[in-house]
Amino acid sequence: DTAVSQTPKYLVTQMGNDKSIKCEQNLGHDTMYWYKQDSKKFLKIMFSYNNKELIINETVPNRFSPKSPDKAHLNLHINSLELGDSAVYFCASSQDRLVRGNEQYFGPGTRLTVT
Amino acid sequence: DQQVKQNSPSLSVQEGRISILNCDYTNSMFDYFLWYKKYPAEGPTFLISISSIKDKNEDGRFTVFLNKSAKHLSLHIVPSQPGDSAVYFCAASVGSGAGSYQLTFGKGTKLSVIP
Repeated sequence: DTAVSQTPKYLVTQMGNDKSIKCEQNLGHDTMYWYKQDSKKFLKIMFSYNNKELIINETVPNRFSPKSPDKAHLNLHINSLELGDSAVYFCASSQDRLVRGNEQYFGPGTRLTVT
Repeated sequence: DQQVKQNSPSLSVQEGRISILNCDYTNSMFDYFLWYKKYPAEGPTFLISISSIKDKNEDGRFTVFLNKSAKHLSLHIVPSQPGDSAVYFCAASVGSGAGSYQLTFGKGTKLSVIP
């Protein structure tokens, strides 16, 4: 009964490949997010979807494309992977983006290594 | 441009003593602050939060203090237990309205509680 799950947990791939990371939440939340934690350990938001609608799109290369088939899922597709994409990617969800105290629930992370 | 700063990358404390983790912020629009705890190979988990209308919030062994004039907050853990050993992230957001979905994280402080 995991609240926010991500697959895969580890992903090793070569430069130039295309890969996807899947995220699902069973909390009934309206808003989902993708974060990147780089080698300097900063957690930075990449995207946010509210009820399948994109509401945040930070300065992220357009090789990264989020897809939300329904409000319980937010997948991240990455084209033409580069060495600098190596990081841990976290999915998160929250109940309502406009509610004060926006507690976000995180998945376990996907460690992406590009060789 | 780090809007949320955790200047101590690590902290070691004896079991039973008080742990104090500090966080500074620069953006005066932030009015809601959260602490997350992260174990290795897991996603961050929400710990405690505070609104800018308060200067203190307590939950069991965890207390967060906010000094708005100094743009500083701290997390106190009393008494510290070995299971508290983790990385602690400070995060901030605009508390309501269109920006409330976006959390800005600090770099984290690794707490080690020594038995």
